[in-house]
Amino acid sequence: AQSVTQLGSHVSVSEGALVLLRCNYSSSVPPYLFWYVQYPNQGLQLLLKYTSAATLVKGINGFEAEFKKSETSFHLTKPSAHMSDAAEYFCAVTEGGGKLIFGQGTELSVKP
Amino acid sequence: EPEVTQTPSHQVTQMGQEVILRCVPISNHLYFYWYRQILGQKVEFLVSFYNNEISEKSEIFDDQFSVERPDGSNFTLKIRSTKLEDSAMYFCASAYPGELFFGEGSRLTVL
Repeated sequence: AQSVTQLGSHVSVSEGALVLLRCNYSSSVPPYLFWYVQYPNQGLQLLLKYTSAATLVKGINGFEAEFKKSETSFHLTKPSAHMSDAAEYFCAVTEGGGKLIFGQGTELSVKP
Repeated sequence: EPEVTQTPSHQVTQMGQEVILRCVPISNHLYFYWYRQILGQKVEFLVSFYNNEISEKSEIFDDQFSVERPDGSNFTLKIRSTKLEDSAMYFCASAYPGELFFGEGSRLTVL
């Protein structure tokens, strides 16, 4: 069965610092992996997705993620945090499309 | 840009009342989903719908829940007799197949 584990329910960084949000997955077949962002009182916005093409995926707002099969990881990074990046981030997995399984979410805080 | 729209954005109801949450998926999409997010928790899959029938449902989706696509455009989630623990944000999503597109969500508060 598919599952996603996000390490750290809350991450705090300073503005301009590196953002690293961790995601590990479990899947019996090659997965499709996604990162979504949720701003307060809003819906889910797709940041980026991995669907078996390039292992380094670039998304919106300067975020990127690297699929590492050997580590079953899909960590999200951004070189320089901005105040507007403060939000909840969800990693999700699906096997070949369709139903998404979400991780617990990581709340990112950005300090001035 | 096409988007998934959900109504109402917020509904407050009394325990035991029936609630219908509505979604208008993207017009050429074939797969439809409902997800739930209890405050402070992760987004949980409820049900998927394809070809006018449920294709998969989670343990959460018990007999109190039902979905239908009554007119080829709307996709509704009905909760027959709401409980306090049904208070959550409910997200609708649609897919062609492929990428899921989510609506803004409907917040349900059960008193």
